[in-house]
Amino acid sequence: GESVGLHLPTLSVQEGDNSIINCAYSNSASDYFIWYKQESGKGPQFIIDIRSNMDKRQGQRVTVLLNKTVKHLSLQIAATQPGDSAVYFCPMYQGGKLIFGQGTELSVKP
Amino acid sequence: AAGVIQSPRHLIKEKRETATLKCYPIPRHDTVYWYQQGPGQDPQFLISFYEKMQSDKGSIPDRFSAQQFSDYHSELNMSSLELGDSALYFCASSWYGMNTEAFFGQGTRLTVV
Repeated sequence: GESVGLHLPTLSVQEGDNSIINCAYSNSASDYFIWYKQESGKGPQFIIDIRSNMDKRQGQRVTVLLNKTVKHLSLQIAATQPGDSAVYFCPMYQGGKLIFGQGTELSVKP
Repeated sequence: AAGVIQSPRHLIKEKRETATLKCYPIPRHDTVYWYQQGPGQDPQFLISFYEKMQSDKGSIPDRFSAQQFSDYHSELNMSSLELGDSALYFCASSWYGMNTEAFFGQGTRLTVV
């Protein structure tokens, strides 16, 4: 079955620094990848997605990198702000539904 | 833009009582998903509906049931509540099978006392 994992359960960065959150996946047939941000007590919020025919996609202050060779996904946040403090997930689609793994909690120090 | 609406936002029930959670998906989305998230846990898939028919089932207890109505809103019914059912319950909607983002509601926080 699919396994979704993140390399670190917590990440602490200084305000203004760049953040990198990593995700490993096991299903080489996955063709769509997505990142969510979840603030405490709130629902997961879509950040950015990428399809397998791309290896990089940029949004506003965020970049997702996809390395299909090693089945690795990363989310880069530029100039991290206190409002970026949240848990970040990279769920995978399995049979038409999103399966979540353990998230990474990002803490931003002022 | 319209988002996924869940009600109520907070619910307190006693053990062995029943609870009904409601979800109103984004207009024209044909798929609804329900997730349960315990404290410090990742969201766990419970059940999904496509065009008002159950499409998939996850780790949903037999005490729980759900349905999607003709207007596409969905309800999660929970009976014989246990303390361990205390959690955040999220509903999400999307276009089925399109591998696009699912949009989540703000959740219902259920507390069983």
